[in-house]
Amino acid sequence: QKEVEQDPGPLSVPEGAIVSLNCTYSNSAFQYFMWYRQYSRKGPELLMYTYSSGNKEDGRFTAQVDKSSKYISLFIRDSQPSDSATYLCAMSQSSNSGYALNFGKGTSLLVTP
Amino acid sequence: DGGITQSPKYLFRKEGQNVTLSCEQNLNHDAMYWYRQDPGQGLRLIYYSQIVNDFQKGDIAEGYSVSREKKESFPLTVTSAQKNPTAFYLCASSQVLKPQHFGDGTRLSIL
Repeated sequence: QKEVEQDPGPLSVPEGAIVSLNCTYSNSAFQYFMWYRQYSRKGPELLMYTYSSGNKEDGRFTAQVDKSSKYISLFIRDSQPSDSATYLCAMSQSSNSGYALNFGKGTSLLVTP
Repeated sequence: DGGITQSPKYLFRKEGQNVTLSCEQNLNHDAMYWYRQDPGQGLRLIYYSQIVNDFQKGDIAEGYSVSREKKESFPLTVTSAQKNPTAFYLCASSQVLKPQHFGDGTRLSIL
């Protein structure tokens, strides 16, 4: 079983829709959770960063972490064509051996005008 | 303007050749990382370094080598022992227990 599971999509939505992206994980030691956005032929760009459980909001983006269910979500409100990209979830546990991230495979999102 | 610079953007390797990918950061981050991204595979960790002159293998280190002689630089060498080197290579950096920030990658192909 992969440590981080993410549906690759593609997910296609009309402009203005609310988008829900999700990841599940198996390692209960994960404490740090991130969402990255990656445009084609570019590096991932950090969107949201949360520690432990709870919600975090930044503009049109909301990240949720449910550690009891080992489930994280990213919501995008009022989606725009410029949101079309691949969204990667990532997570890590704090340890003396390093801070390497475990990534999902990414969900491809297309927002159509 | 702070950031992570990867060069070259595109690189071609001949059979039996070693190639080196450059990664430089001016963010004053202690930790640096190399990932490989293949279609449908997500990002996989090759090597990481938390301090100068020290580095650790990641999940797929075979066929790769690194050095960390300066805080701002973490070059990756793809050796001839790496039999399937065609991929998108991403360098990242971070402060300890802080999110990683990525460069814009180097795309390596076989001639």
